[in-house]
Amino acid sequence: KAGVTQTPRYLIKTRGQQVTLSCSPISGHRSVSWYQQTPGQGLQFLFEYFSETQRNKGNFPGRFSGRQFSNSRSEMNVSTLELGDSALYLCASSYRWDYTEAFFGQGTRLTVV
Amino acid sequence: AQSVTQLDSHVSVSEGTPVLLRCNYSSSYSPSLFWYVQHPNKGLQLLLKYTSAATLVKGINGFEAEFKKSETSFHLTKPSAHMSDAAEYFCVVSDRDGGSQGNLIFGKGTKLSVKP
Repeated sequence: KAGVTQTPRYLIKTRGQQVTLSCSPISGHRSVSWYQQTPGQGLQFLFEYFSETQRNKGNFPGRFSGRQFSNSRSEMNVSTLELGDSALYLCASSYRWDYTEAFFGQGTRLTVV
Repeated sequence: AQSVTQLDSHVSVSEGTPVLLRCNYSSSYSPSLFWYVQHPNKGLQLLLKYTSAATLVKGINGFEAEFKKSETSFHLTKPSAHMSDAAEYFCVVSDRDGGSQGNLIFGKGTKLSVKP
């Protein structure tokens, strides 16, 4: 069974640009969540989608958005990039929303210059 | 609200000696608790999980953890460290508040170094 796939693995963007990251969950998983990992703040929850609906959202500005498609694949978008958005963005998939088991992708390393 | 505290930011052990990574949690509900490991430049891998079944949970690579409700602890142990265990370890609680949807709350992480 294929794991969680995140694309691209690495990205370099300029301040002010926007970026879209993609996550393909494990087949059959309907819940996808996104996390931001930085050395200073650690791992922070961004948002969670289940069956195409955003179920929960972390404390991030509106520049961070996401969506989930009918095949459970998810995208997250960051607009008007800031230097502080440089981070490893991790996607996790789970069969159910209550996280009896969540599987993580390898992440997308975003660098904003 | 749930929270997780990893008591040590860095632990160093010699190869072949026991490993103890400490984690305390607070939760208003019956928590689901997890330990994840992250090797450099990699994503997170689930080591083990507690979901209100047996209090002693066995995971992959010889790791285990014991859920102690009275102490609100979920410490990770391994009898004998291997060089390949060097990584960062995260204690995680699932935040479930009644009817709301869940998200994972991560501890700050413990970096494990293993000396030859």
